[in-house]
Parts: sequence; structure tokens; C-alpha cells
Amino acid sequence: EVQLVESGGGLVKPGGSLRLSCAASGFTFSSYNMNWVRQAPGKGLEWVSSIDSRSDYIFYADSLKGRFTISRDNTKNSLYLQMSSLRVEDTAAYFCVRDINILVRGISLGMDVWGQGTTVTVSS
Amino acid sequence: SSELTQDPAVSVALGQTVRITCQGDSLRTYYASWYQQKPGQAPVLVIYGKNNRPSGIPDRFSGSSSGNTASLTISGAQAEDEADYYCNSRDSGGSRRVFGGGTKLAVL
Repeated sequence: EVQLVESGGGLVKPGGSLRLSCAASGFTFSSYNMNWVRQAPGKGLEWVSSIDSRSDYIFYADSLKGRFTISRDNTKNSLYLQMSSLRVEDTAAYFCVRDINILVRGISLGMDVWGQGTTVTVSS
Repeated sequence: SSELTQDPAVSVALGQTVRITCQGDSLRTYYASWYQQKPGQAPVLVIYGKNNRPSGIPDRFSGSSSGNTASLTISGAQAEDEADYYCNSRDSGGSRRVFGGGTKLAVL
């Protein structure tokens, strides 16, 4: 079964740091581009970051202003998100998401596998 | 522009057809994908590319695009289709992703 399982969420004070992990199973992790997507309570989805299969191409949402770092370890079938200088507005469920391996002009057509999410709460 | 605009809420009578739209300049260049999210659950991909459904998605879901507008059509809406629907595509540069604000679909 194809599966993504996030971990590492929790309660952190403003200005603090947190590292999220995502364990992938049931597919060849090293062949897929991956993403983090978040959703604040009662709000819509927000794309956070993406990383290609070999970590050559990494992109972030402009709103993060350099506070988050995405990485992956293909030997461990794992995706990570290092979050620093956390703000109250970073409070959200964070989803680990796989890009569909169907490309047009080098661009994936969607995101086909989602984890259940891990919750990050930033509060004093 | 890197924004995608969706109507906040749409309703449809049981068994009728409903169209959910997503507008944005980048849709003239890049395909949209569509996601269904029910309360307390992770989103599910329902349409990608020109008009492709992942395995397990009913054929009452279809996608289309014209100019700067992508559409998700549900033909013969069922009670279980009541959910939030999000479009997603690329920004104008193609490297970043962007979601629409979401449309809450009520099946009456």
C-alpha cells in the first residue's frame, strides 16, 4: 500500500523551531518529487515547498521568507521540513504530498498521494 | 499573477450537474488539478491534466479549461460529493504551486 506518514508536529512557542518528518512506503520514493502543503484551522490549502527526486530543484512559497527548509533522504525513504522562527500564523496541519509521476513539459500534473497530516501549533 | 480564484460556495440539487470554476492567469499556460476534501480528512486528487481521473474516482467527475478558467464538473451530484474542492496549478514562472481558495459544495 502506498503510504505517507508524517510526524514531528506539536506545540512550540513563537520564535521556536520544529522538524517535521514524512515516512514513505509502498512505492519507489527516490523516483518521485515531493511537497509539503499546510492548512491552517478552518482555512484553505497552502502549498509550502517542493523538492525534486534528486534534491536538485527546491522551491518555497514566497510567504515563508526563508524560514523553512525542505530536504529528503532517499536511502531512508523520508522527507523533512525544518521550520525555524515560527510564528503564530504557521499554526496548521502539515501534509506530506507526492507529485504524480506524469509530466507535461517537465511539470507534474498534480499531487496524487497525501499523508494524514501532522499538526503544528505555535502559541505562547 | 500567481493567484487562483474560486467561488467560496456552490450548491447543487441531488442528481443535478454542477460546475466549479477556478480563474487565474497562469491557467492559460498550465493545467489545473482538482482536490476534494471532506471534514477531518486529507485532500484527494480527483482531476489532473487535460481531463484525467485517478483510479477510483467516479466518471461523474470531469475537468475542462478555457482561457484563464479551469472547471470541475460533477454530473449527477451525489450526497457523498458534498465537500470542499480546491484547484491547484503553477505560478506564472512555473516553479511554484498555488491553490485556489476552495469552494464548499453543498448537495441539497
